[in-house]
Amino acid sequence: EPEVTQTPSHQVTQMGQEVILRCVPISNHLYFYWYRQILGQKVEFLVSFYNNEISEKSEIFDDQFSVERPDGSNFTLKIRSTKLEDSAMYFCASSVKGLANTGELFFGEGSRLTVL
Amino acid sequence: DQQVKQNSPSLSVQEGRISILNCDYTNSMFDYFLWYKKYPAEGPTFLISISSIKDKNEDGRFTVFLNKSAKHLSLHIVPSQPGDSAVYFCAASVGGANNLFFGTGTRLTVIP
Repeated sequence: EPEVTQTPSHQVTQMGQEVILRCVPISNHLYFYWYRQILGQKVEFLVSFYNNEISEKSEIFDDQFSVERPDGSNFTLKIRSTKLEDSAMYFCASSVKGLANTGELFFGEGSRLTVL
Repeated sequence: DQQVKQNSPSLSVQEGRISILNCDYTNSMFDYFLWYKKYPAEGPTFLISISSIKDKNEDGRFTVFLNKSAKHLSLHIVPSQPGDSAVYFCAASVGGANNLFFGTGTRLTVIP
């Protein structure tokens, strides 16, 4: 069964360092997302991406964050200068249709980011 | 800003009985609701959804009920099985938007 894969599964970094989290969405999906979950809190939307551009982003997704689809398969989330509060589990997701057309999301297993 | 609320952090149910997980929302613009299940060390997995034009959607052992006037939805699992033990997230979206608003989750434990 096709699945969304994420790497790394866990990354530890020093505050102020750049981090890139990688995702390979399901191959025929057109919409891509990043969500995050701070320990003990709810899953929060960061950004959605369609047709090689950001379609929506939340207040969390500030100038320190960027997303890219560098080739036909990878979808990356970059945090330029990590802060302690960026420590969280980051989930990549993809869908065939956007939520406006009621397509459900398929999530990866997550990348745990720990900022020291 | 908790637009989607799951007030019960945990629920324990005997195997074979009904599990009822509840969710409340505050944004009347939400028109699509989903339930996701999450096992430890895995991402959320889509379970069932309902559009605001319906009040019930059933898929096997899982049924979601929507009460728009009360801004409340619930997930019924009948009969509950030990493999259903997981964290269940309620989520909602506004038509035309691509983002989901999640609740904080309810940890369901089905006791054999």
